[in-house]
Amino acid sequence: NAGVTQTPKFQVLKTGQSMTLQCAQDMNHNSMYWYRQDPGMGLRLIYYSASEGTTDKGEVPNGYNVSRLNKREFSLRLESAAPSQTSVYFCASSEWRLTDTGELFFGEGSRLTVL
Amino acid sequence: ILNVEQSPQSLHVQEGDSTNFTCSFPSSNFYALHWYRWETAKSPEALFVMTLNGDEKKKGRISATLNTKEGYSYLYIKGSQPEDSATYLCAFKTPRHSSASKIIFGSGTRLSIRP
Repeated sequence: NAGVTQTPKFQVLKTGQSMTLQCAQDMNHNSMYWYRQDPGMGLRLIYYSASEGTTDKGEVPNGYNVSRLNKREFSLRLESAAPSQTSVYFCASSEWRLTDTGELFFGEGSRLTVL
Repeated sequence: ILNVEQSPQSLHVQEGDSTNFTCSFPSSNFYALHWYRWETAKSPEALFVMTLNGDEKKKGRISATLNTKEGYSYLYIKGSQPEDSATYLCAFKTPRHSSASKIIFGSGTRLSIRP
């Protein structure tokens, strides 16, 4: 059981380049999330998708776009990368069943460096 | 703006000692409080999901309490062991049917256990 899979695990970009981080989950979860992790700042929510077909901004959405391609996949796109977007990105998923309180299951993270 | 605060930021504890740390969150619009354990080079993993005021959860030597009226949760570790060294994150979840439904993390408490 793979859980949450993110690709790529490492990427180096030049300022102004674009790229897409891919995330897929095989747990049939409704909700998916993108977080970024920076030293001393914990995990900050970029975008989330409560269910297939919906996306919403989190705490730090500027400079990012997302696509909920289907129930399994949620991608994060950087249209014009900036050094401030150097970070480790985590994708996560959770379930919204009536009896579930939505603990997150995380991918392994994607380390992005923007030069 | 949802503000989730954790204290202390870091903690160094002698092996065998007990310790605790705090998570503070908004007391309004509460749905659930999560605790995660995050080891270096790994992904965060859920420890507890707490929903009711007065909830107490326990897993081995680790336990947590919840006070939703005053907006805080404590995590306790009894008889710390080197394998307890990790960053402990709390996360506040808003009601799942609200337009602002999301999971917001504190910046974490980094725990180091000295042998």
